[in-house]
Parts: sequence; C-alpha cells; structure tokens
Amino acid sequence: DADVTQTPRNRITKTGKRIMLECSQTKGHDRMYWYRQDPGLGLRLIYYSFDVKDINKGEISDGYSVSRQAQAKFSLSLESAIPNQTALYFCATSDFGVGGQETQYFGPGTRLLVL
Amino acid sequence: GNSVTQMEGPVTLSEEAFLTINCTYTATGYPSLFWYVQYPGEGLQLLLKATKADDKGSNKGFEATYRKETTSFHLEKGSVQVSDSAVYFCALSRRDTGNQFYFGTGTSLTVIP
Repeated sequence: DADVTQTPRNRITKTGKRIMLECSQTKGHDRMYWYRQDPGLGLRLIYYSFDVKDINKGEISDGYSVSRQAQAKFSLSLESAIPNQTALYFCATSDFGVGGQETQYFGPGTRLLVL
Repeated sequence: GNSVTQMEGPVTLSEEAFLTINCTYTATGYPSLFWYVQYPGEGLQLLLKATKADDKGSNKGFEATYRKETTSFHLEKGSVQVSDSAVYFCALSRRDTGNQFYFGTGTSLTVIP
C-alpha cells in the first residue's frame, strides 16, 4: 500500500465551484505539504504544515486554503476554482534523517482541470 | 534568495549512452541538495541526496557530487536504460530556514532502444 495517498486522482470542475483535494499518509510524519506542478515551472509550494496546529502559506497560496484534520490528513481546497488553477497537485510528507536532514515523500498526484 | 536552475530539456539519448543533467543553485548558508525522479503517471521519488560540500550521492547507477565552489550538483549516469525515461528534478533545502524545499523546473529524459 502507498504511504502517501491522494484523492481524487483526476478531477474536472467548472469555474466558480468549490473543490477539495485530500491527502492521507501512513508514514507517521508531522510535516505535510501541498505543491502544484505546471509545465515549465516545476513544483511550487502552496501550503505546508509542521503539525496539526501549525499551518503556513507557501509561495502561491492565493485562491487556496488548507485543513489539517489530523496528523495523517491534510486537505487542500479551492474556494472558487478558476481555469489557471488547472494543474497537477502533489501532497508530500517529510521526516528527518541522520544529521537532521529532511527528505520529502510524494503522493501520486491529482490532475485537476478547471473549465 | 534560494533557487535551483536545471538544464532545459527534453533530453533524448540512445540506450547505454552517458547522461549528464546540469543543476546549479543559489543559496546562502549550507543547503542540502537532492535529485528527485518522476516516472510517467507517478509522484516524485527521491533518487539521491548530498548534505554537505564534496559529498557524493548515488543510487541506481546515478551519481551527483555537491560542488560548493561551482554551486553545482550535476546528475550523471554512465549507461542509461529505457527504464530511466522520466522527469528529473533538482532541489535544495536549508535546515536553517525551516527546511523549505526549492525545486528546479525539471528535465525530461527519454531513452530510446
């Protein structure tokens, strides 16, 4: 079973609709992240959470909100979807290895199309 | 600020060819450097990493050496296979700024038989 799962894997929605993308992890990590991937732009950080009570904006948080319901769950919401939010969305978790260096682990992604 | 610059793709190679994907970074302090790989339809997977200058990360025949003097972390493989076809991302993180990750734009590699 995958350690980081995302639902749905694909979603088509219309402009103005509210949608939620969900992420669950079984790795027991405190830190979770949401990124979006666009062609030619790589990954950009939307929001991140260092624990259930600590949520922070990333590089491109406008138009998005998040909820950390539990250590294992981190949801991303688009309050009123617009076409330029069409992208591939990734959830990630992280832990600290030897020497305190963080490594990130990614889910399989959610492909979102906003019409 | 912190940033990562990768060579633009796409890169197309024949099987058993030598691969180099260039990556340079901008960061103050002492970042850790990573290569992630994304196979078609999947999320990113950690390929290798290096946490200090002159460290060499290696995995699955891929190598990259952390060069502080040239601020580079180029990915190399001596003999690529068709199964190496994927998108490769260089990334950095800095422990002294909360470990936020910065990713390059990705380089698409296609290996043909």
